[in-house]
Amino acid sequence: AQKVTQAQTEISVVEKEDVTLDCVYETRDTTYYLFWYKQPPSGELVFLIRRNSFDEQNEISGRYSWNFQKSTSSFNFTITASQVVDSAVYFCALSEYLDRDDKIIFGKGTRLHILP
Amino acid sequence: DGGITQSPKYLFRKEGQNVTLSCEQNLNHDAMYWYRQDPGQGLRLIYYSQIVNDFQKGDIAEGYSVSREKKESFPLTVTSAQKNPTAFYLCASKRGYEQYFGPGTRLTVT
Repeated sequence: AQKVTQAQTEISVVEKEDVTLDCVYETRDTTYYLFWYKQPPSGELVFLIRRNSFDEQNEISGRYSWNFQKSTSSFNFTITASQVVDSAVYFCALSEYLDRDDKIIFGKGTRLHILP
Repeated sequence: DGGITQSPKYLFRKEGQNVTLSCEQNLNHDAMYWYRQDPGQGLRLIYYSQIVNDFQKGDIAEGYSVSREKKESFPLTVTSAQKNPTAFYLCASKRGYEQYFGPGTRLTVT
């Protein structure tokens, strides 16, 4: 069965520090997609990234970077030089190619506090 | 502008009343989804629909009902049978492997 685990329930760091959010997933499918979403206090989910299972290249977008490692079934998210505006709940999610229902399974989220 | 709208943003109801949450999209997406979010629980799937006039139960469908009469609309009814209806409800539509989310409706039942 597919499953996404975000072991860190809540993290607090001081502004300008780097912070890594962990995500571990389980799937029997060889083709799958991994996602990260940000949920600011307003509640709307903001899409950050999608990665397919055949692409293990790390990705960098500004202060955000993602480390995908199939060997450890992890898809970790790092924010460099954090800012107060990064405070939010972050969700990791998984979708399997063979799932005909096209469902996306979410982890329970990590609440990130960036302290000024 | 293309997107998903949910209304209202905040909704208050008395226990025992049914309430319908609206979700509309103008993205021309076939698939639509309803999620429930409780503190510390992440997002749990209530119902989803991949085509007009067809929908399937998700992981926590009990006490909820939906309809999909139009491609653009996927309303969710929270019935009096739902034991703990107070939550944040998110609607989404899907294109490929990316889901687009609405702003959500926070329902409080007292």
